[in-house]
Amino acid sequence: GAVVSQHPSWVICKSGTSVKIECRSLDFQATTMFWYRQFPKQSLMLMATSNEGSKATYEQGVEKDKFLINHASLTLSTLTVTSAHPEDSSFYICSADAGFYNEQFFGPGTRLTVL
Amino acid sequence: SQKIEQNSEALNIQEGKTATLTCNYTNYSPAYLQWYRQDPGRGPVFLLLIRENEKEKRKERLKVTFDTTLKQSLFHITASQPADSATYLCALETGANSKLTFGKGITLSVRP
Repeated sequence: GAVVSQHPSWVICKSGTSVKIECRSLDFQATTMFWYRQFPKQSLMLMATSNEGSKATYEQGVEKDKFLINHASLTLSTLTVTSAHPEDSSFYICSADAGFYNEQFFGPGTRLTVL
Repeated sequence: SQKIEQNSEALNIQEGKTATLTCNYTNYSPAYLQWYRQDPGRGPVFLLLIRENEKEKRKERLKVTFDTTLKQSLFHITASQPADSATYLCALETGANSKLTFGKGITLSVRP
């Protein structure tokens, strides 16, 4: 089946620094990738839709200058959390649309802790 | 306003019984609905998709129904096992590019 990886799986950083999270589709090409955030015991909240070669589409309330998304190729999308603060601590999950059956394949997630 | 509700936060059942999880939604007209399984600290794993013109879908011990009049989907796990213990999320197609909106999830615990 289709596999999506994320790197790193967890990261701890100091307040004010930037953190980059990578999302890769390993055995398929994904024209569309999605970035979600999940707080404990909460639902996955869609942050943005990332299309290869074009600007990401952000959901209402998500700051595009704070959460920079780059979808440079059909197998890689990156999310950079700029000037991270403790309230950005969360579980960040990406998914990729393989283009068939409307199924999304999710990565294993990245746990971000900002001190 | 648009809402997706999963009827309880937790469901505890005995091994071998059928687990039934409910997903209700308001002010959506999804073309399809999906169910995912999520284990602690992991990303969701796709289980089943059911389209608006389908009443029922099965996959091994799993069964999903979709009632667009009631705006409800039921997810059944028959002959449940402790390994089925996880959080189950329903997700509705809510936009272009296969955009999904997720419910909060129901945590199922199957005791031996």
